[in-house]
Parts: sequence; C-alpha cells; structure tokens
Amino acid sequence: QKEVEQNSGPLSVPEGAIASLNCTYSDRVSQSFFWYRQYSGKSPELIMSIYSNGDKEDGRFTAQLNKASQYVSLLIRDSQPSDSATYLCAVTGGYSGGGADGLTFGKGTHLIIQP
Amino acid sequence: EAGVAQSPRYKIIEKRQSVAFWCNPISGHATLYWYQQILGQGPKLLIQFQNNGVVDDSQLPKDRFSAERLKGVDSTLKIQPAKLEDSAVYLCASSPLLSGEVYGATNEKLFFGSGTQLSVL
Repeated sequence: QKEVEQNSGPLSVPEGAIASLNCTYSDRVSQSFFWYRQYSGKSPELIMSIYSNGDKEDGRFTAQLNKASQYVSLLIRDSQPSDSATYLCAVTGGYSGGGADGLTFGKGTHLIIQP
Repeated sequence: EAGVAQSPRYKIIEKRQSVAFWCNPISGHATLYWYQQILGQGPKLLIQFQNNGVVDDSQLPKDRFSAERLKGVDSTLKIQPAKLEDSAVYLCASSPLLSGEVYGATNEKLFFGSGTQLSVL
C-alpha cells in the first residue's frame, strides 16, 4: 500500500515570510511528484510538478525532491494571505511503473498566512 | 477548452438510499478517475478507467459502489445502499495519458472536476 505522509497543521506563517511544506512517501520507485493547492469547497489545483532530484522553481514556488530520502517539499516565498489553503502532496508511478496511474495523495497541510 | 464536468454539485440522501454521480471528462482524454475525499483527508482513488476498460478498482468497495464508462467517454459512479461514512466529496478527474505513460515525459497533468458533495443522513 502506497503511503504519502504530511503534517496536517495548521501551519501558520506571517505574510511575506517563507512557508515550508513537507511530504514523505513510502514507495521507493515512485516517479512523479505533485503539489496541489485546495481552497475550502474547491477541487485540487496543480501548482507544481517535479520528476527528478533537486529543485524546481516557478515564480514564488519551489519544489524540492530527494528520492534517496523519499522526501518532497514545497517552499512558498513572500507568502500572501491568498496562499492560505490546504496543500496536498501527490505521488504516482511505482509498482506498475505507470505515470498515468492514479495519484496517491497525502492528507494535506493546512496553511494559514497571517496578515 | 472545456473542463471536466460533474453533476450534481450537491446531493443529500438518507442512509440505505442509492445515489449516482455523473462525469464528462475533457474531450479526447482516455483516462478517467473517480476519487473520494472525506473531510480533512486527501483524495483517495476509487477507480481508474482507460477508455471503457477498468485499469484499477482495488480501492472501490464493490459491495456497494459501482462505476461504468460504457462508451469510453462519460462515466457514472453509483452507491447502493449508502452508508453514513460515504459522506464525502466525489471528484472526477481526467488525463490524456495512458496507463504506463509517464507524466515527466510530457507537460500533461491531471484535470479535476468541481466535485459532487454527498451528505448521507
């Protein structure tokens, strides 16, 4: 059974600071890693994807992947109140080797940006 | 480009009743997923279709849940009879990738519908 672990929070960060969200996964051969943002009552929205070790930056967001440690993180720089949401880590690929196979999600981290 | 369409948006039923949800994926997307998201948890995959065939239904409670995608386009998820613990948001998602293809090789992603919120009383 594939597992994805996240601290449920809430994680409270002052406006303008860096928010750091972490995720670990159990399936060592996982291939694709995603961060989704979910506002209350809305469906998940993809904000970052990462497939190889290292950092990937997109605007204020940086995803970090360490396959040896089975660890994925998301950094949000210059945090804004609009970043307040639940952030879901998702993983796919593994036993079947298929990237199009269903994503396994963590429970999500509730992030609160304090004005 | 039209997104993933789901209906109804909300549904309230009593336990032991039946309910059905409908999903129309993005045009041309071969792979369709149904996820269940219980309040405070991440989405859990219930079933994955590729065209009109089932790829993975290992987490679908088959004694009460059923799903079909007869013509390889839209899909229906049914619960009969419903239990209190079925209260959740049911999300449909679609992807242009086929089972075995890797997301990292393309810029494709999973597209979610707006979901159906089910309350079982």
